[in-house]
Order: sequence, then structure tokens, then C-alpha cells
Amino acid sequence: GQQLNQSPQSMFIQEGEDVSMNCTSSSIFNTWLWYKQDPGEGPVLLIALYKAGELTSNGRLTAQFGITRKDSFLNISASIPSDVGIYFCAGQLWTGNQFYFGTGTSLTVIP
Amino acid sequence: NAGVMQNPRHLVRRRGQEARLRCSPMKGHSHVYWYRQLPEEGLKFMVYLQKENIIDESGMPKERFSAEFPKEGPSILRIQQVVRGDSAAYFCASSRTGWGMNTEAFFGQGTRLTVV
Repeated sequence: GQQLNQSPQSMFIQEGEDVSMNCTSSSIFNTWLWYKQDPGEGPVLLIALYKAGELTSNGRLTAQFGITRKDSFLNISASIPSDVGIYFCAGQLWTGNQFYFGTGTSLTVIP
Repeated sequence: NAGVMQNPRHLVRRRGQEARLRCSPMKGHSHVYWYRQLPEEGLKFMVYLQKENIIDESGMPKERFSAEFPKEGPSILRIQQVVRGDSAAYFCASSRTGWGMNTEAFFGQGTRLTVV
């Protein structure tokens, strides 16, 4: 199956700092999705991207669909304690069907 | 508009028993995906279904696992003769379309299966 490399694996930041994480693939993707998962819960969709170069915001979150169609980035500005959780990227090939998930970025925000 | 509903939230089975996990997609969604997640790991694709059809089951173990999405009712993931290694969180997601624009997949809260 497809391998999505997500980095960093974990982050420890001070409240108020900005956060950046990214996801790369060896294949061209048609769709990129970003999720946040809290312990014991299902992933919650944060942002969806459909076009190369597309930049989309959702509050303090901004995500971009890479020009090469093989990567995507998620930025969180002015982090707050409730941002704590695991962030996953997910991509769908142009052929459709399943969503491939990244390995996740664990975010810890220190008050 | 209710989200993706999964039940039960927690399921305990003894080795050798059967486990049935249910997933009701969001209203208007006809595409269902099942994923498995082990502790501290990411989500692994199992199967993708549309109403009455299995589209992609490349992630399903060859034995003991099956899935269906009937014309009426929820999607069912069935695990026969469970073993301890089946213990995991099983998540269902649904989407309105299978590909292209607006292919947003929304997840349920999962079923946590424990095999004792």
C-alpha cells in the first residue's frame, strides 16, 4: 500500500507558539484531508484539500495542497491547550477508493 | 444531522467467539470505509463499500473477516473466531462521494474490541 510519511512524529511546544507539520507521499494524490484525534475518540476532520496549490483555513488552522501533489502541510497558529492531540494526514489517489493515512503527529502544548 | 454512528462503543469477546461491529453512515452518504487502529498507531485501511457492493477489500485479512453494506440498514464488519490479536479500535467512515470534489470522509467514534 501507499506510504505517507508524516513529520514530525511528536512536538512539545509552549502555548501561543505556531506549529507546522507535513505529510509526503511517493505518489500523486487527488485529495488531502487533515484530522485530529483525541484519546478514545474517532478522528475529526479539520480541513479538506482538492487542488494543487490550494490553501485553506479553518480558524487558526491552515493547510496547503502541495504543488507537486505529493505533499501537504498543516499549520496551527497561536496554539492553545485544547490543540493537544494526534494529527493525521490522509490522502486519496486519483484512482479513488481508500484514504491512506499518515503515521500521525502527536502534539503537546505546555501552558 | 447525525454523524457516523458506530455501535457498540466497547465490545468484549472471548477467543473463538464472533464479533459484529455496526456502522450507520451520515445521512446522504453511500460510501463506507472501515479502518483498524492499534494502540499508538495510525489507521490501517480494511475495506471500502458502497451500497450492496464491496469496492476494495485489499486491507481485509483473508480469513475470518467479512464486511457488508446492505441496501437497508447499517454496514457490518464481522470477525469470526476472534483471537487476541484482533483486539483494536475499529473505525468506520462515510462519504457522500467516492472520489473527486467533496470527498470528505467523516469518522465515527469507533468500536473498541477486546478479546480475552
